[in-house]
Amino acid sequence: AQSVTQPDIHITVSEGASLELRCNYSYGATPYLFWYVQSPGQGLQLLLKYFSGDTLVQGIKGFEAEFKRSQSSFNLRKPSVHWSDAAEYFCAVGDVRSSASKIIFGSGTRLSIRP
Amino acid sequence: ETGVTQSPTHLIKTRGQQVTLRCSSQSGHNTVSWYQQALGQGPQFIFQYYREEENGRGNFPPRFSGLQFPNYSSELNVNALELDDSALYLCASSRRTEVTGGYTFGSGTRLTVV
Repeated sequence: AQSVTQPDIHITVSEGASLELRCNYSYGATPYLFWYVQSPGQGLQLLLKYFSGDTLVQGIKGFEAEFKRSQSSFNLRKPSVHWSDAAEYFCAVGDVRSSASKIIFGSGTRLSIRP
Repeated sequence: ETGVTQSPTHLIKTRGQQVTLRCSSQSGHNTVSWYQQALGQGPQFIFQYYREEENGRGNFPPRFSGLQFPNYSSELNVNALELDDSALYLCASSRRTEVTGGYTFGSGTRLTVV
């Protein structure tokens, strides 16, 4: 079955430090992959997406993610975090093989920023 | 262009009651998907509507039902509310042919069942 695993429940980094959030997926075909961000009490905002082509994709707010098929991973990175990046981050895979093309989410990683 | 709007933003219901949540899709989007996000969890797919018909369903009981209207807006109805139904309910819209382009999400409705 299709699934997404985010092994880190909560990460704290210092402002200005680099960030990497881990994501592993299980999908029997070429995946459509996404990263979303959710601020407290808000909906989800799409950061970036990968379908094919260059395995390093750029997104909004200075984020990037790298698709590694051999590791079934799609880790999110940012070279220097800002206090405003504190939020919940969700990795997701697009399931296009079922009757309803839908997005399956991981359980999320909460990011805290240390001043 | 307007985004996805959901109403109400918050509501409190008593166990056993029924609730209706509403969603207006983004302009040009004809597909609406509903998700339930329990506290501390990722969103779980409830169902999707396309052309006013249910187009797929997640692992939710029949007391979760929905509608889509000709203007592509949608409703989520939950009957016989249970305490575990307390969650953030998210609506997402997309173009049918571009669903894998990522959804546009609303800010959600926070439902508390007491």
